[in-house]
Order: sequence, then structure tokens, then C-alpha cells
Amino acid sequence: QSALTQPRSVSGSPGQSVTISCTGSNSDIGNYNYVSWYQQYPGEVPKLIIYDVTKRPSGVPNRFSGSKSDNTASLAISGLQAEDEADYYCCSYAGHYTVIFGGGTKLTVL
Amino acid sequence: QVQLQESGPGLVKPSETLSLTCTVSGDSMNNSYWTWIRQPPGRGLEWIGYIYYTGTTYYDPSVRGRVTMSVDTSQSQFSLRLTSVTAADTAIYYCAKFYGPRYFDVWGRGALVTVSS
Repeated sequence: QSALTQPRSVSGSPGQSVTISCTGSNSDIGNYNYVSWYQQYPGEVPKLIIYDVTKRPSGVPNRFSGSKSDNTASLAISGLQAEDEADYYCCSYAGHYTVIFGGGTKLTVL
Repeated sequence: QVQLQESGPGLVKPSETLSLTCTVSGDSMNNSYWTWIRQPPGRGLEWIGYIYYTGTTYYDPSVRGRVTMSVDTSQSQFSLRLTSVTAADTAIYYCAKFYGPRYFDVWGRGALVTVSS
């Protein structure tokens, strides 16, 4: 199974909004509402920021939001802050007890 | 608060077997899934597989045939064995708690394993 498709990089200025897309297929994103997103700083452990497509764990700012349309999931970050500069990975259940990650997106805050 | 810690050799020779253990503390392993994820240097996350506390396993097709996971709830540990390793298996290996099939919550700090002669 191929990795979910994410843009390699996105950028935005402080205060702006950015969206990171994650495209899969009818076998994963399109068929299950089990999309999660992870934030990873260089040299750090990934951190869960969105699960079940739209839900935020406790402590994650509401500037982060998730959505899904057909085979594409999206992570939106509003009111961009310097601390949001990190790598972001999407993940989806892909059926048959398997899981698949996206290739990752590097967010640069200009 | 559950915590996970990976342990094992940091250097493995090509064609040999990579073995890692994840020790779970702060919570019971019962009724939960436990997973291994790896990240090659400078690259993205790759799911390897997960194991239920009863020992039932599920593996990614790309490593199926080379991978074995096991669990020892009495020791609060689960393990990864990857045979016939090559340089492509060089990565940081993370263990994590899996709220299957929804998301990975608590992660270990990661263990760098280098495959080199």
C-alpha cells in the first residue's frame, strides 16, 4: 500500500491560516473516519493533535482543526504562530487491520 | 500516566536480526493495542505493526515475513524482531500505545537502530 499523499512543504506568516492536505483512496480515508494527525518537532517524538478526523486531544489549541471530504483529509491551522513550525503527518486506518501514514509536510512560519 | 521506553542494540549487522523491547509503566497492558513505528533518518513515519495484549498481531505488508511481535504482560513489555535487516531498516524505532484503529496516543522516546557492518 502506498503512503498517503501530503505536500512536502507549506508556509505562512504569523497570524495567517494554512491548510495541509492528505490524499488517500476509497480503501483508507474515503472509507473510514479514523484519520489522525501528528506534529513533530526536529529531534522530538510525534505528538497527536487530531484524531477521528475532527477531534482534538485535551491541551491542543483550537487553532488546529481537522476535516475530511471524500478521499482527502485536511489539517487547518489558524492564527499561525512561530511555535507551529514543525513537520505534520496524517494517518488513516486502511482496513484489514492495517494503518498508513502520509509522507509528512514541513510547515514553515515565515 | 502511561510511559513507554524502548531498549535494545543500537547497531545491527546486515542480514542479522533487529530486536527491540518496549517497557510499559504507569498503566496495565490489558485490553490495549501496542504498536511499533519507525522513522528512517530525514524521512517520514512508517507503521510496522501492532499487537493486542492477548498476543494477536497485525503487520504491515511491507515487512510481513520478516517481522515478529510478542508481548509479555507479566513484565509489562512487548517486543519487535525484524530479520534479515539491510541498511534500509536503519531508523528511529518508536513504540506507542494504539487506540486501534483510531490513533497512536503515548509514544516512547524512540531508539535509533543503525544497520551497518
